[in-house]
Amino acid sequence: SYEVTQPPSVSVSPGQTASITCSGDKLGGKYACWYQQKPGQSPVLVIYKDNRRPSGIPERFSGSNSGNTATLTISGTQAMDEADYYCQTWDSNTVLFGGGTKLTVL
Amino acid sequence: QVQLQESGPGLVKPSETLSLTCTVSGGSISTYYWSWIRQPPGKGLEWIGFIYYSGSTNYNPSLKSRATISVDTSKNQFSLKLSSVTAADTAVYYCARWVATSSSVDHWGQGTLVIVSS
Repeated sequence: SYEVTQPPSVSVSPGQTASITCSGDKLGGKYACWYQQKPGQSPVLVIYKDNRRPSGIPERFSGSNSGNTATLTISGTQAMDEADYYCQTWDSNTVLFGGGTKLTVL
Repeated sequence: QVQLQESGPGLVKPSETLSLTCTVSGGSISTYYWSWIRQPPGKGLEWIGFIYYSGSTNYNPSLKSRATISVDTSKNQFSLKLSSVTAADTAVYYCARWVATSSSVDHWGQGTLVIVSS
């Protein structure tokens, strides 16, 4: 069955750029999206259709998807961006989530 | 603005059936797909399945034999039943709106914790 894989954790200094990857076989041929989840809260969609931002999501969030890897990039990372991030795709009529990446801003 | 609210028992005994309902407000359920997603404590997200307002469904193969999602358009609600539960089914259960054109979830409920224990 199809799987997507994320690194368990990523660390970034405030103001720097954070990149979180999501890997899967030929993932670039599918849509990828990203969710941000803060402790005790529901997930929030931050990127859909590989690189589109929903209304209200800051411009510092961007996405790309090519080959076997989708990437969520946060430019000028702020302390408020510290959260768990999940990638998600759709394959063979199944919704698939990555295992999640904990982003630490320190 | 669409809002979703889960409701149902917070405690279910092993081997019994978990039943949850999601009430959609601020918009009609008679468009889009409507989904259930769960998250065990301290773990990641797991898709359970979704339903179209017409009643057509799609399930996670790993849960397909135990999960049933139904819709009541007259009440703007959809529901989840998960049979033969075990402690491994303890999780926060989210109802959500699935957007087929972008293959993503754009609205989530606040989630409800269901504990499976005797």
